[in-house]
Amino acid sequence: QQQVKQSPQSLIVQKGGISIINCAYENTAFDYFPWYQQFPGKGPALLIAIRPDVSEKKEGRFTISFNKSAKQFSLHIMDSQPGDSATYFCAASRGGGFKTIFGAGTRLFVKA
Amino acid sequence: ETGVTQSPTHLIKTRGQQVTLRCSSQSGHNTVSWYQQALGQGPQFIFQYYREEENGRGNFPPRFSGLQFPNYSSELNVNALELDDSALYLCASSLATGTGGAGYTFGSGTRLTVV
Repeated sequence: QQQVKQSPQSLIVQKGGISIINCAYENTAFDYFPWYQQFPGKGPALLIAIRPDVSEKKEGRFTISFNKSAKQFSLHIMDSQPGDSATYFCAASRGGGFKTIFGAGTRLFVKA
Repeated sequence: ETGVTQSPTHLIKTRGQQVTLRCSSQSGHNTVSWYQQALGQGPQFIFQYYREEENGRGNFPPRFSGLQFPNYSSELNVNALELDDSALYLCASSLATGTGGAGYTFGSGTRLTVV
C-alpha cells in the first residue's frame, strides 16, 4: 500500500514534442505528490508538486495532472528540449511531508 | 541560503566494516531523510529524523542507524557492511510543518562501494 508505480521505464521524444510520464498510488493517505528530476552524478531536484485538492498544476513547460478517484497522476513536459534529458521520479508523501516514497524512475531522452 | 552538503562524495569499504556518512541540512530545514539509491533504481527510504528523533523507517535492518544533531545535521551509520550495500546514499532535508507536504532538497550523495 506504500508503493508508487511509475511508467514508462524509458522514453524517447523528439525535440519540441510532449513527454508524458504516469504514476499510480494505492495509499489514499498520501497528501503531497512531487516530481523530481535527476541528472547523472547529482541528487534529485524538486521540479513541481501538487496536492490532492487540485486537478492540475502548471509551471512553465511542466504540468501535473491529478486524478484523485483513479489514484493516478502524470507529468507532462511541453516543448521538450535536449536539456530535459534526465531521469524523472514521481513521489508521494503523507502527514505533512513525512516519509516520501519514490517511483522507480523514467529515463527521458529528448532527440535534437 | 546554503544547500544540502554530503561527505564524503565517494567511499570504498570492505565487507564487514562500518561506515559513517555525514549530511549538513539546508538552512531553516528541520527534517532530514536518508535514501539508498541503487544503480538505475528509485531512491529507497531508509529513515527520517525530525527534531533529533527518528520519525519513520523503511525496510532496512537495524545495522542501518542514524543521528540528527541540534543544528539539524545528520549522520548515517551502517555496520557489518554487505556487498549489496553498494549504492548512492542520498540525504534530503525539508521543512516539515505537519500541515502539508514539503519538497525535499537533496544533496549530491555519497557513492559507497563495498568490496
